[in-house]
Amino acid sequence: DAGVIQSPRHEVTEMGQEVTLRCKPISGHDYLFWYRQTMMRGLELLIYFNNNVPIDDSGMPEDRFSAKMPNASFSTLKIQPSEPRDSAVYFCASSRGTGGYQPQHFGDGTRLSIL
Amino acid sequence: AQKITQTQPGMFVQEKEAVTLDCTYDTSDPSYGLFWYKQPSSGEMIFLIYQGSYDQQNATEGRYSLNFQKARKSANLVISASQLGDSAMYFCAMRGPSGGYQKVTFGTGTKLQVIP
Repeated sequence: DAGVIQSPRHEVTEMGQEVTLRCKPISGHDYLFWYRQTMMRGLELLIYFNNNVPIDDSGMPEDRFSAKMPNASFSTLKIQPSEPRDSAVYFCASSRGTGGYQPQHFGDGTRLSIL
Repeated sequence: AQKITQTQPGMFVQEKEAVTLDCTYDTSDPSYGLFWYKQPSSGEMIFLIYQGSYDQQNATEGRYSLNFQKARKSANLVISASQLGDSAMYFCAMRGPSGGYQKVTFGTGTKLQVIP
């Protein structure tokens, strides 16, 4: 089975530019999560969706960040305008919603550098 | 609230030896799940093993086993017969109702280095 697929793997852009990160969850998974990982703050949950509906976006740092899930097989995380402090590794993860505490399966991440 | 504590920032182990990575947790939930993830230097997060709070037996997955001591609130990861490819960061994590059920609380990680 294919795992969580994220694109791009690496993104380098200049401050002020719009950045769009993409994620395809594992087929059949009901939940999709966006995380950010930095050395200083570790792994932070930004937002998660259940059946394409955003459930909790309390981790989204500010209005420059937005996330959408237009269908069960695709989600985007957008930063506009980007700032150097947004540089981090961004992970998408997905999990099943039934069967107890199902593990979250992560994509390979997008390493974002804002110059 | 949920909390995961990993007190070993770094560990060394000789190749082919076993190693235990410590994890303690704090929660008031009677039902919860515990997880371990591996993050190699290439960056991906790999799910290794899961233990449910009501599971009677310790979880095992190949060379990985979880030493679950509920009364002590510990969920240590044991890696047997270490291999060079086991060198990575290891994160302990948990889910439970008080953490928002779907939300995962992660520890700060332990960096394991396997010495040839």
